[in-house]
Amino acid sequence: NAGVTQTPKFQVLKTGQSMTLQCAQDMNHEYMSWYRQDPGMGLRLIHYSVGAGITDQGEVPNGYNVSRSTTEDFPLRLLSAAPSQTSVYFCASSSQGFYGYTFGSGTRLTVV
Amino acid sequence: KNEVEQSPQNLTAQEGEFITINCSYSVGISALHWLQQHPGGGIVSLFMLSSGKKKHGRLIATINIQEKHSSLHITASHPRDSAVYICAVRPYNTDKLIFGTGTRLQVFP
Repeated sequence: NAGVTQTPKFQVLKTGQSMTLQCAQDMNHEYMSWYRQDPGMGLRLIHYSVGAGITDQGEVPNGYNVSRSTTEDFPLRLLSAAPSQTSVYFCASSSQGFYGYTFGSGTRLTVV
Repeated sequence: KNEVEQSPQNLTAQEGEFITINCSYSVGISALHWLQQHPGGGIVSLFMLSSGKKKHGRLIATINIQEKHSSLHITASHPRDSAVYICAVRPYNTDKLIFGTGTRLQVFP
């Protein structure tokens, strides 16, 4: 099915480890973004991209890197995991015009 | 103060009741989105509004740009409507969304 594929669904990391959360979409959407969701808070934007080769920071970018080498893929890298990065992460995409957003199924990350 | 405020935070209803969830925002916007987050965690886009009213099945969304306010209505609520409903706005001249903290709805048979 067309949509946004996010992997893995669950991950446990030790403090200091690095990992990459994968996000891929097959709808040829220009806009892709990463959010984190924490209890009692709204979704917060980490990084976003308006097209291949273009990325920008969101509200909470520290500790995360992104790249957009293709239209389809937008991976999120945690360079050195910290307990404060324990959260649920969502990737989303949208076409130009932002008529609607398609979200991935989320990644529940625990850093111990 | 958050730029997007939702009320109520929690809502319980009996099956068949008419539900209203409110969203107020403090910035000028290009569009407002209503999203639904299922108990399993998945997020689905319900509506995008820039003016007026939209209807899809039993869901109705309205927006008043002058008052910076939107409402999501559910008619004839059903237990399968139980979810978190999230309001998000896209401010003018940005590609970013600002989210409310969500309204948790539980509909009992």
